[in-house]
Parts: sequence; C-alpha cells; structure tokens
Amino acid sequence: AQKVTQAQTEISVVEKEDVTLDCVYETRDTTYYLFWYKQPPSGELVFLIRRNSFDEQNEISGRYSWNFQKSTSSFNFTITASQVVDSAVYFCALGLYNTDKLIFGTGTRLQVFP
Amino acid sequence: DAGVIQSPRHEVTEMGQEVTLRCKPISGHNSLFWYRQTMMRGLELLIYFNNNVPIDDSGMPEDRFSAKMPNASFSTLKIQPSEPRDSAVYFCASSSTGQAINIQYFGAGTRLSVL
Repeated sequence: AQKVTQAQTEISVVEKEDVTLDCVYETRDTTYYLFWYKQPPSGELVFLIRRNSFDEQNEISGRYSWNFQKSTSSFNFTITASQVVDSAVYFCALGLYNTDKLIFGTGTRLQVFP
Repeated sequence: DAGVIQSPRHEVTEMGQEVTLRCKPISGHNSLFWYRQTMMRGLELLIYFNNNVPIDDSGMPEDRFSAKMPNASFSTLKIQPSEPRDSAVYFCASSSTGQAINIQYFGAGTRLSVL
C-alpha cells in the first residue's frame, strides 16, 4: 500500500530558528516522485519541490532544503532561519509512475512567532 | 500565464440545493483533478480527468456528486442535493502529464458552506 505519514501535526518556533518537517512514505514501486506543497493562511496550495526516486541528492533553495533518504523512506524539509511568512500548513505527497494521482500526507502546521 | 481559476470563491447554500463549482485549468494542461479538504479527512482526491476523460472517480463520495469536463478548458463539480456534511474547501488542480508524474498546480479553492 502507498502511504505518506507526517507525524508532526503542529510545530511552533520563534523567528530565526531552524525547523525540520518530517515526511515518511511507503511504496513498493521503484519509480516514484515526492513533492512538498505549502498552504499559507490564504488557502491555496503552492508547489515547492518535486524529486524522483532516482535522485537522492539533497536540494537547497534559499532558506529551504530537502533531504531525501531512500534507506529510511524519508523526504524531510528544513527551513533555515524561519520567518513569520513561513507560517503555513506543509504537505508532503507521493506520486507513482503509473498513475497521475498524488497521495498526500495529513500536513504539518508550522507557526513561526516573531 | 494565468493559473488554475476556480469559481465561485465562496458559496453558501441551503441543504437540498444544487451546487455547481467551476474550474478552468492552465492552458495546455491535459489532466484535471478535483479535491476536497476538510479538517476531519484532510485533502481527498475526488476525481481526475485525463484529456477530458474521467480516469478515476473512486473518491467521489456518493451519487449526489458528479463531475464533467466538456472540453479542455472547463470542468464542473456538481452536488445535488447538497447536505451540511458537504461543507468543505474544494480545490481544482491541473497538470501536464507525459512520461513522468508532473506537478499539479492548484486553484485558490471554493469554500462551500451548506446550511
């Protein structure tokens, strides 16, 4: 069965702290994709990143970085020097090669306080 | 380029009424997805289309829900009759699928309240 688990329901940090959002996935497929989306208080879902299962290189984009480890089936997301604007719900999702569907986790609500 | 456009943004209706939600995907995208988001159930895929054809409607809750995609630039999700438990945010997303799973781009959503 395919599944995405985001065990952290809610995280609160103070501005400038680093924070890591965990994502663990389950699939027996060898080809798959992993995604992160951000849902700010305004409500829309915003795409952040897509990785395929053959590329385990970590990725950095400004204050955002992603750590993909197939050995632990994890795709964690770190925000460095968090800012109030980072406050949102973050969703991790799994996409399988033979279908267009995404399997979403339940999301992690991040609150960054000034 | 315009993103996915959903209308209306907010809909308040009374139980038993018909509700129609609309979506215009990104031009050139050939897959369209309807999701429902609630606190209790999170983000659920209701149905998705590829090249205007429904591919998977296993997430549609019951016969009261129906979705159509008459052409590549328009889709509707209809609830008839509506019930209070249908209150949720409904999202439409589109993607351009090919050999790989492509990124789904979401609309701003329609917040539905059924009284």
